[in-house]
Amino acid sequence: DIQMTQSPSFLSASVGDRVTINCKASQNINKYLNWYQQKLGEAPKRLIYNTNNLQTGIPSRFSGSGSGTDYTLTISSLQPEDFATYFCLQHNSFPWTFGGGTKLELK
Amino acid sequence: QVQLKESGPGLVQPSQTLSLTCTVSGFSLTSNSVHWVRQPPGKGLEWVGAIWSGGSTDYNSALKSRLSISRDTSKSQVFLKMNSLQTEDTAIYFCTRSAGGFDYWGQGVMVTVSS
Repeated sequence: DIQMTQSPSFLSASVGDRVTINCKASQNINKYLNWYQQKLGEAPKRLIYNTNNLQTGIPSRFSGSGSGTDYTLTISSLQPEDFATYFCLQHNSFPWTFGGGTKLELK
Repeated sequence: QVQLKESGPGLVQPSQTLSLTCTVSGFSLTSNSVHWVRQPPGKGLEWVGAIWSGGSTDYNSALKSRLSISRDTSKSQVFLKMNSLQTEDTAIYFCTRSAGGFDYWGQGVMVTVSS
């Protein structure tokens, strides 16, 4: 199985900050990497699919990049509603596997 | 619009069988696969298993001996059955649709394994 190492696990930031979250795969996943936002009690929401494609309805302050084994989610200017947990998913090789998650907290 | 909703008991006794239902709307089970994913309290997400659009199934190798996933296409429902439950199976169980990875998810159902 492909291992996904996500960092950092916790991140403290302020409204307006630019933040980045990383996922590293144990092998090449050919850009089949999605990013999700999860809030307590809610269904996870897909933000980015296939590395850099913004899901319809997601604000443009979210962006993704990467290739090979290394991928990044960037939030360009944090808004109050962005404080949540984020996780990545590789869907290049079955079984699909998740990063461990990043909890983004208000500083 | 696409929706998925999980239902099932919140509390299951150790060694008993868990039965969950995922009711979907806005798409056909014969066009998209549905997966189960779980998240133990305070931990990351774990893929549990899937039923593909053609009706075949795949299971997490660590759970395979205890797990069964089936569906009723006429009712737009997917079923998960897991036997011999242990405390380590305590988790939020999500069902999610496969399209470019997972696109839509249910809200999840919390399952606690305890006597």
